[in-house]
Amino acid sequence: DADVTQTPRNRITKTGKRIMLECSQTKGHDRMYWYRQDPGLGLRLIYYSFDVKDINKGEISDGYSVSRQAQAKFSLSLESAIPNQTALYFCATRAEGETQYFGPGTRLLVL
Amino acid sequence: GENVEQHPSTLSVQEGDSAVIKCTYSDSASNYFPWYKQELGKGPQLIIDIRSNVGEKKDQRIAVTLNKTAKHFSLHITETQPEDSAVYFCAATYGNQFYFGTGTSLTVIP
Repeated sequence: DADVTQTPRNRITKTGKRIMLECSQTKGHDRMYWYRQDPGLGLRLIYYSFDVKDINKGEISDGYSVSRQAQAKFSLSLESAIPNQTALYFCATRAEGETQYFGPGTRLLVL
Repeated sequence: GENVEQHPSTLSVQEGDSAVIKCTYSDSASNYFPWYKQELGKGPQLIIDIRSNVGEKKDQRIAVTLNKTAKHFSLHITETQPEDSAVYFCAATYGNQFYFGTGTSLTVIP
């Protein structure tokens, strides 16, 4: 089984809809991250969390919110989706002092 | 925050040749520099990393060099193979955040 899983893998939604992307990990890491990837822009940090009670904004948090339901679960929500949020979204986990491990990604299309 | 620049954005090499990808960073406090490989439809995966107290690290056909004075680090792939074709990302760690380059699409031509 994969160490970092993301659901759904693909999602099509309409402008104005609320959607949630979910991430789960079995690595036992305390740190979890959400990134979006756009062509030519690399990976940009949306939010990150160091434990259940810790949430931090990243570079591009506007229009997004997150919830850390448990050490192993970190969800990303788009309260009112807009077309420029069409992107590939990655969850990543990390232990202190170590590298990041990425999930397989969620491809989101906002019409 | 940190700013990471990566070049080139695309790179094509003949099978068996070497490939070099370069990154620069802006903050001298950055101390950890991983390289990730992303294959189509998958998330980035670590292929090699280097910490600021080391100048070079090698793992079989892959090597990374770091020049702290110039604030740049490079990925070297020797004897390239078709399965090396992918997008490669560099990153620099400042504090608890990872700052990524914009990626290099490497194509190895058989």
